[in-house]
Amino acid sequence: DTGVSQDPRHKITKRGQNVTFRCDPISEHNRLYWYRQTLGQGPEFLTYFQNEAQLEKSRLLSDRFSAERPKGSFSTLEIQRTEQGDSAMYLCASSYGTAYNSPLHFGNGTRLTVT
Amino acid sequence: GQQLNQSPQSMFIQEGEDVSMNCTSSSIFNTWLWYKQEPGEGPVLLIALYKAGELTSNGRLTAQFGITRKDSFLNISASIPSDVGIYFCAGQRAGNNRKLIWGLGTSLAVNP
Repeated sequence: DTGVSQDPRHKITKRGQNVTFRCDPISEHNRLYWYRQTLGQGPEFLTYFQNEAQLEKSRLLSDRFSAERPKGSFSTLEIQRTEQGDSAMYLCASSYGTAYNSPLHFGNGTRLTVT
Repeated sequence: GQQLNQSPQSMFIQEGEDVSMNCTSSSIFNTWLWYKQEPGEGPVLLIALYKAGELTSNGRLTAQFGITRKDSFLNISASIPSDVGIYFCAGQRAGNNRKLIWGLGTSLAVNP
């Protein structure tokens, strides 16, 4: 168990640019989640996948955001035309979805700064 | 979005003291989770609770799932400097998506 891995750890971009983040979940976990966290807040749910299917998206996930998990393993989160309000920590988590006692395990996040 | 009521918001204690924090909700949860987060890192799972009344320990940490299923507490005994961080509670309702609802965190500072 190597844990949830996220890349990059930090990203600084100019407003209007596109960015893409990657998440590699724990290998036997079939569920993958994306959360966003701003300073002083708990994580906010964005979306989740079971295998390759995206089953739920939060209203927070505007049209500029898209997430994929093409082979049911790693996932990418893309933000198009970034805005300063997108600056946050983007966290990925995974769990074994069919087991009620499989809690979410988080990666160390990607810190996005939009200038 | 919905959040849990977590208290206290912050604590500043002396090394060796015991710590207690709690979370409450107006809704019933089937799972309570406690995470610790340090600056620049993701939340790390400390304790997971799955049954009302369940009391679970992890080293110096003890957490309980309230009988009403609407609350949980976390105790840390004999605090040490590395306990510093933000402690979050998170709950899951019955259902299939396993989405977590979070408290706002308790920031813990330990004076050596």
